[in-house]
Amino acid sequence: GQNIDQPTEMTATEGAIVQINCTYQTSGFNGLFWYQQHAGEAPTFLSYNVLDGLEEKGRFSSFLSRSKGYSYLLLKELQMKDSASYLCAVKDSNYQLIWGAGTKLIIKP
Amino acid sequence: DTEVTQTPKHLVMGMTNKKSLKCEQHMGHRAMYWYKQKAKKPPELMFVYSYEKLSINESVPSRFSPECPNSSLLNLHLHALQPEDSALYLCASSQDEEIGGYTFGSGTRLTVV
Repeated sequence: GQNIDQPTEMTATEGAIVQINCTYQTSGFNGLFWYQQHAGEAPTFLSYNVLDGLEEKGRFSSFLSRSKGYSYLLLKELQMKDSASYLCAVKDSNYQLIWGAGTKLIIKP
Repeated sequence: DTEVTQTPKHLVMGMTNKKSLKCEQHMGHRAMYWYKQKAKKPPELMFVYSYEKLSINESVPSRFSPECPNSSLLNLHLHALQPEDSALYLCASSQDEEIGGYTFGSGTRLTVV
């Protein structure tokens, strides 16, 4: 079966750094996505990794290791507005997007 | 234009009503999707249209009926829904099924009473 695991909830402090991990087992791999979703709103695209390594975009970075079936999303200089759910999703061999259950990130002052 | 526009934003309907959700994009994307999302759950794929043809129907009950009038528009017709169908309905698009990430609309919050 296809499976994506990420922690259910994480808490971090404003101004700090947090790493959200995602491990996956899918039938094939055609890229990994990270989305941010605030409560009651639509997911917004954060990052896309298809090759191994680190992709950096401002305060957010995403890392991929295909051999380990592992990715992480790194958020630096945390702000209160970063409180949201972060969804890891993998495109499988049929180009279907398989979603993780999401990680709820709580930022405390 | 880099947006996916969904209307209405909120909808309350009775179990005997017929209503439609609308989705529009002008990014030239050739794949469009309907997702259903319950609170604290990830989006759940319902339908995929690729080049205006229904590509995937994830065993969705017939009370949900999708329609793709042209490459920019996607509708979801609703009839005889149940209270458990209450959810956030999200439309998304991508360059095609294989290429690109998904751009989501802001969703329609549906309540069935």
